[in-house]
Amino acid sequence: EVQLVESGGGLVKPGGTLTLSCAASGFIFTTYTMNWVRQAPGKGLEWVSSISSGSSYIYYADSVKGRFTISRDNAKNALYLQMNTLRVEDTAVYYCARETPYTSDPDFDFWGQGTLVTVSS
Amino acid sequence: DIQMTQSPTSLSTSVGDRVTITCRASQTISTYLNWFQQKPGKAPKLLIYAAFSLQSEVPSRFSGSGSGTDFTLTISSLQPEDFATYYCQQIYSTPYTFGQGTKLEIK
Repeated sequence: EVQLVESGGGLVKPGGTLTLSCAASGFIFTTYTMNWVRQAPGKGLEWVSSISSGSSYIYYADSVKGRFTISRDNAKNALYLQMNTLRVEDTAVYYCARETPYTSDPDFDFWGQGTLVTVSS
Repeated sequence: DIQMTQSPTSLSTSVGDRVTITCRASQTISTYLNWFQQKPGKAPKLLIYAAFSLQSEVPSRFSGSGSGTDFTLTISSLQPEDFATYYCQQIYSTPYTFGQGTKLEIK
């Protein structure tokens, strides 16, 4: 069974740092591009970042570029998001989601349950 | 960046109704389009991928169509469990942008 489990959320002050983790199981993690998507309270979905299977290709939304760093450890089947210089507007539920390497298969077919990040003084 | 515009933003509907939600991309995205359903407090659930392919175990009352810049999600006969918020997403190029969402409410 495919599972993605996020952790690491919590309350942090503006300007602070937090690192999220996503533990993957039930599929060949090393072959999938992985993504972070967030959702502010009562708002829509916003794609945050993606990292290719071998970490060669990394992309960020403009809203987090220069502040957030995505990484992965294929030996541990884990995805990370280091968030620096956090702002109040970064408050959201953060989801990890997978992106298939196979042309005919669906992307973003599995998501974690999300972890809440609250940035407040 | 590619902008995704959904309409309507909300819809008051009844069980048994046929519902159509539209999504327009600011530039051509071929068929690189997903549709998601989201219920309160839950992660999004993939319904349709590649514009018209039905995700596994999703009821056949859901269908998608379109290519290029204009896309639609159709629910042929609305069921009680379908009252939720629906999002389109383009995966043609990063940033992978979402539409603003369409909330289906019970009339």
